Amino acid sequence: DQQVKQNSPSLSVQEGRISILNCDYTNSMFDYFLWYKKYPAEGPTFLISISSIKDKNEDGRFTVFLNKSAKHLSLHIVPSQPGDSAVYFCAAPHSGSARQLTFGSGTQLTVLP
Amino acid sequence: DTAVSQTPKYLVTQMGNDKSIKCEQNLGHDTMYWYKQDSKKFLKIMFSYNNKELIINETVPNRFSPKSPDKAHLNLHINSLELGDSAVYFCASSQGLAGPSTQYFGPGTRLTVL
Repeated sequence: DQQVKQNSPSLSVQEGRISILNCDYTNSMFDYFLWYKKYPAEGPTFLISISSIKDKNEDGRFTVFLNKSAKHLSLHIVPSQPGDSAVYFCAAPHSGSARQLTFGSGTQLTVLP
Repeated sequence: DTAVSQTPKYLVTQMGNDKSIKCEQNLGHDTMYWYKQDSKKFLKIMFSYNNKELIINETVPNRFSPKSPDKAHLNLHINSLELGDSAVYFCASSQGLAGPSTQYFGPGTRLTVL
């Protein structure tokens, strides 16, 4: 049972335009969400996070929006740059004893020059 | 300055062998994790240690045995390797268990079982 879902395996965007990556979740106990970025042959690196008490968090070109009623979050990258080309994972920590992360399957973003 | 490091980066071995993957973090974190990324690219938790104590053991065959000699190290030993163990294994660390805690990942170890 996938509790975090990323339904778009890939996305291509022109440089300078907006990239929107989507993520849905089913577990209403999730209270915090993270986005990770992963380049080939490297580990995931933390990008941005949002607490469930907020509906928006912004960090430079990256903004994450959270819609709790729809159990949906999205990552906006504006303007997109070729260096943003990577796999983006949405993740949420469990509320149990260890806070292990449940990941979505990832979206490959390609920013075309 | 490597925050979370893993060795080796690549590991190719025969079925039935025993192998180990080492992980070290220099972030001063007290919690470490092992994740497995399978062929479908899903990242799934395997184990979690807090202050050298096992706190998560997901449904993982007992051929996999993590060992934490100290807070900065979490090694993964795999006995009697099988073809299905081929995957990329990521180590991660974070500080504390309460509240939001960003996890920092190592570069991964690609294990290929022939």
